[in-house]
Amino acid sequence: DQQVKQNSPSLSVQEGRISILNCDYTNSMFDYFLWYKKYPAEGPTFLISISSIKDKNEDGRFTVFLNKSAKHLSLHIVPSQPGDSAVYFCAASVLRSSSNTGKLIFGQGTTLQVKP
Amino acid sequence: DAMVIQNPRYQVTQFGKPVTLSCSQTLNHNVMYWYQQKSSQAPKLLFHYYDKDFNNEADTPDNFQSRRPNTSFCFLDIRSPGLGDAAMYLCATSRDLGGRYFFGPGTRLTVL
Repeated sequence: DQQVKQNSPSLSVQEGRISILNCDYTNSMFDYFLWYKKYPAEGPTFLISISSIKDKNEDGRFTVFLNKSAKHLSLHIVPSQPGDSAVYFCAASVLRSSSNTGKLIFGQGTTLQVKP
Repeated sequence: DAMVIQNPRYQVTQFGKPVTLSCSQTLNHNVMYWYQQKSSQAPKLLFHYYDKDFNNEADTPDNFQSRRPNTSFCFLDIRSPGLGDAAMYLCATSRDLGGRYFFGPGTRLTVL
């Protein structure tokens, strides 16, 4: 049972345009969500996060939107740059629980290609 | 720079031959995690240590073991690697349970 899903394996966008990466989850207990970026031959690096008490968090060109009723979050990159080409992982965890281990559950990743 | 280091970056082993992967951290984080990632799949948590407390995921095969001799180091031992164990193995740390993880570059394991 995959609790975090990224249904688009790949996305291609022109430089300067918006990239939208999507993520769905099934566990309503998740209350903290993160996006990680991974370049080839490197480990994932943290990009941006959002708590379930918010519906939007912005950091420069990156914005994450959370729709709790739909159990859906998205990452918007505006404007997209060729250096943004990487694999993007969505991850979720349960923080507010006495039995919480805080472990992150990851999606399969979406490969973003930004064309010059 | 504080970081998470994994050695080796690439490991080739033979079917059934034990192998050990290493992870070290200079972040002084309490928690260390091991993830297995197969091609085009989500990273899958194998186990984690909170300080010296070991927490195994229910579906982690017995073939996989881990050791954390001190705060800085954590090892992944695969006792009898099978062809299905070929994967990228990612080590991660966090200051406390939950929140932001810091990942190492991973070890790519090939089983012949």
